[in-house]
Amino acid sequence: GAVVSQHPSWVICKSGTSVKIECRSLDFQATTMFWYRQFPKQSLMLMATSNEGSKATYEQGVEKDKFLINHASLTLSTLTVTSAHPEDSSFYICSASSPYTGELFFGEGSRLTVL
Amino acid sequence: AQRVTQPEKLLSVFKGAPVELKCNYSYSGSPELFWYVQYSRQRLQLLLRHISRESIKGFTADLNKGETSFHLKKPFAQEEDSAMYYCALSGEGEYGNKLVFGAGTILRVKS
Repeated sequence: GAVVSQHPSWVICKSGTSVKIECRSLDFQATTMFWYRQFPKQSLMLMATSNEGSKATYEQGVEKDKFLINHASLTLSTLTVTSAHPEDSSFYICSASSPYTGELFFGEGSRLTVL
Repeated sequence: AQRVTQPEKLLSVFKGAPVELKCNYSYSGSPELFWYVQYSRQRLQLLLRHISRESIKGFTADLNKGETSFHLKKPFAQEEDSAMYYCALSGEGEYGNKLVFGAGTILRVKS
């Protein structure tokens, strides 16, 4: 099946720094990608829809200036957590929709720990 | 508003026993319902979707609009079925987009 890859798998940073997470669709072009956040023992919460060549659409309650999303190409979307704080520590997961079947494929997730 | 409820955080069964993972949803329109599975240390992957009406790995799920449910069933559980299962709903009209997930249910199959 189609593959979506995230990098890094895990990252530890100091409070106040910014962290970038990449999401790549390896064998298909994705005009739309989605970013989710998952707290421990909780479900996935949709943060935003990333659209290639245009601004991301954020879900209610998600700070767009805090979580910058860039979808510069058909195979890459990035999520930048700006001025990270400990409460931003979480598991971030991206997904991309196959243009052939519409099926969503998920990345392996990126665990962010802010000290 | 779209909402998916999975009432059980953990379901523990013996190998060979029947399994039913419950899922109820709330949506005013015509939803698309899915079950996703996450095996240990693996990424989330699609298990099945209601529009395809297929059986995957022995699992089936029927959409009951009257009861707003989409329970996942398997007649005989196997140890390799142990995983986290998420029920998800898409109400955007396009398959696979903007999913709302339930809290998930851990299925533990004991030998």
